[in-house]
Amino acid sequence: GNSVTQMEGPVTLSEEAFLTINCTYTATGYPSLFWYVQYPGEGLQLLLKATKADDKGSNKGFEATYRKETTSFHLEKGSVQVSDSAVYFCALSEGYSTLTFGKGTMLLVSP
Amino acid sequence: NAGVTQTPKFQVLKTGQSMTLQCAQDMNHEYMSWYRQDPGMGLRLIHYSVGAGITDQGEVPNGYNVSRSTTEDFPLRLLSAAPSQTSVYFCASSSIHIDRGDGYTFGSGTRLTVV
Repeated sequence: GNSVTQMEGPVTLSEEAFLTINCTYTATGYPSLFWYVQYPGEGLQLLLKATKADDKGSNKGFEATYRKETTSFHLEKGSVQVSDSAVYFCALSEGYSTLTFGKGTMLLVSP
Repeated sequence: NAGVTQTPKFQVLKTGQSMTLQCAQDMNHEYMSWYRQDPGMGLRLIHYSVGAGITDQGEVPNGYNVSRSTTEDFPLRLLSAAPSQTSVYFCASSSIHIDRGDGYTFGSGTRLTVV
């Protein structure tokens, strides 16, 4: 079956530091890949997505590239802000009806 | 505003009680699904639907029932609540044309406590 593995947190960084959150996946076909963000007490918001190999998703300074050869979709940001503190979920979808999530990575950014 | 509406936001149940979590979307999305979120577990799929009249089980369906009589609504029923069902529940919807759109839209969640 499908699965998503992402690095455990929490990830603690100082403001303006570089962020990487690793995500690898296992799928039987050619999934679409997503990063969702959950701010404290809120629901999930789509951060970015990529629907085919070598696509790069980007939004609000975050980027992730769909790497089929390494089955990865690592999230990066060049300079984090305190407001980026949240839980980040990597997810995949085959056929688009449902999502398979990783366990989430908490990011804590200090001033 | 268009989106996914979940009610209630909070609920406390006693063991053995039944209840229905409501989910409605106004985006004419074909797909709808229910997830539960537990600490350290991410989100796990309970049930999903690919259209009115069609539902299927996800990863953790036991103790839950769903039906989809209209495109807009996808209620989740707890038949006899158990403490293990204490969780945060999210409803989501998506279009079959997901590559053209914004992906899945999630509701704001229902925090359920079973005592």
